[in-house]
Amino acid sequence: QVQLQESGPGLLKPSGTLSLTCAVSAGSISSSNWWSWIRQPPGKGLEWIGEIYHSGSTNYNPSLKSRVTISVDKSKNQFSLKLISVTAADTAMYYCGRGVDYWGQGTLVTVSS
Amino acid sequence: EIVLTQSPDFQSVTPKGKVTITCRASQSIGSNLHWYQQKPDQSPKLLIKFASQSISGVPSRFSGSGSGTDFTLTINSLEAEDAATYYCHQSSSLPRTFGQGTKVEIK
Repeated sequence: QVQLQESGPGLLKPSGTLSLTCAVSAGSISSSNWWSWIRQPPGKGLEWIGEIYHSGSTNYNPSLKSRVTISVDKSKNQFSLKLISVTAADTAMYYCGRGVDYWGQGTLVTVSS
Repeated sequence: EIVLTQSPDFQSVTPKGKVTITCRASQSIGSNLHWYQQKPDQSPKLLIKFASQSISGVPSRFSGSGSGTDFTLTINSLEAEDAATYYCHQSSSLPRTFGQGTKVEIK
């Protein structure tokens, strides 16, 4: 069964850059799936950030598109999220996922001075 | 952007009761609608995919139906462990979107 594990800094200062990595195990990132990032502010609902295919093709949420980059590293079987110019509104649990079926456990990112 | 509207926002049901959650899409999404269960401090767990396809390991009391714009998640014979928030999610078009969630409480 595919497993996904998010990692990255848990605390950022406003205007900084959020960088997270999702390590994929028990499965290949080169499989025919889209790999996604989703976030959830504390006590709120789910927001789709974007997705990437192993070819490097990406789709982003228009609401975040100007600040988001998702990339893939096939040699490490992982993919990454970069979000620039963060504010307190970006404080959330960040999840990585495969298609609609597998999600990681999530990592909490707090933006605070 | 396709908007998914769930109803109700909250439901309180006695054990062994029945839960029905609806998800309405702002435009047709075929069968590209999925249901998730999220318990506190856990990541969402897939319950039903493509409107009505069951998922291995998910109890049979969970079922889904619908197509186009109207979808339903049904939980038969509710158990205490089913207390959670339930979300619908569409993968028909970009950007992918989620419903606002329905919280189910056990009376």
